[in-house]
Amino acid sequence: AQKVTQAQTEISVVEKEDVTLDCVYETRDTTYYLFWYKQPPSGELVFLIRRNSFDEQNEISGRYSWNFQKSTSSFNFTITASQVVDSAVYFCALSEPSSGSARQLTFGSGTQLTVLP
Amino acid sequence: DTAVSQTPKYLVTQMGNDKSIKCEQNLGHDTMYWYKQDSKKFLKIMFSYNNKELIINETVPNRFSPKSPDKAHLNLHINSLELGDSAVYFCASSHAIPQSQETQYFGPGTRLLVL
Repeated sequence: AQKVTQAQTEISVVEKEDVTLDCVYETRDTTYYLFWYKQPPSGELVFLIRRNSFDEQNEISGRYSWNFQKSTSSFNFTITASQVVDSAVYFCALSEPSSGSARQLTFGSGTQLTVLP
Repeated sequence: DTAVSQTPKYLVTQMGNDKSIKCEQNLGHDTMYWYKQDSKKFLKIMFSYNNKELIINETVPNRFSPKSPDKAHLNLHINSLELGDSAVYFCASSHAIPQSQETQYFGPGTRLLVL
């Protein structure tokens, strides 16, 4: 069975600090996809990044960076120089096969990030 | 310009009632989904529709029935609402490409409260 673990339930940092959100996954698939979504206090789910299992290159987008390590089944997310607007719940997700042509997402339990001014 | 929209945004109703939540996407996607987010923020897939065909329906009670009139719409009808149905329901959509995984884009959510 697919599983995604976000061991950090809540993290608080002070503005401008760097913070890393951990994500560990389990899958038997050889081809799989990993995602991060952000859920701000307003409640919507915002897509941040998708990474497939064949691409282990780290990715940087502005203050955001992602470290994918297949050897440890981890897909960690770092926010550099955090800002108050980064306060949100962050979800890691893993795609898993289902019948038909679509694949469903299995979400981790989320990490509540609070950035204090 | 909203990519995935849901109505209503809030829904408060009594136990035993029947209600529907509507979802529409203008992204040209051919697969749509319903997810339930409980009070602890845990997100779980409920249904997936691909080209108007249901392809996921696992542990969801049969009081929940998805209805897809066309590729751009996937509505969720709930019969005989129970207290435990209180949650946030998210609609999502994506392309469905065999052996691949397109990103799922989510609607704003519908907050359902059953009294």
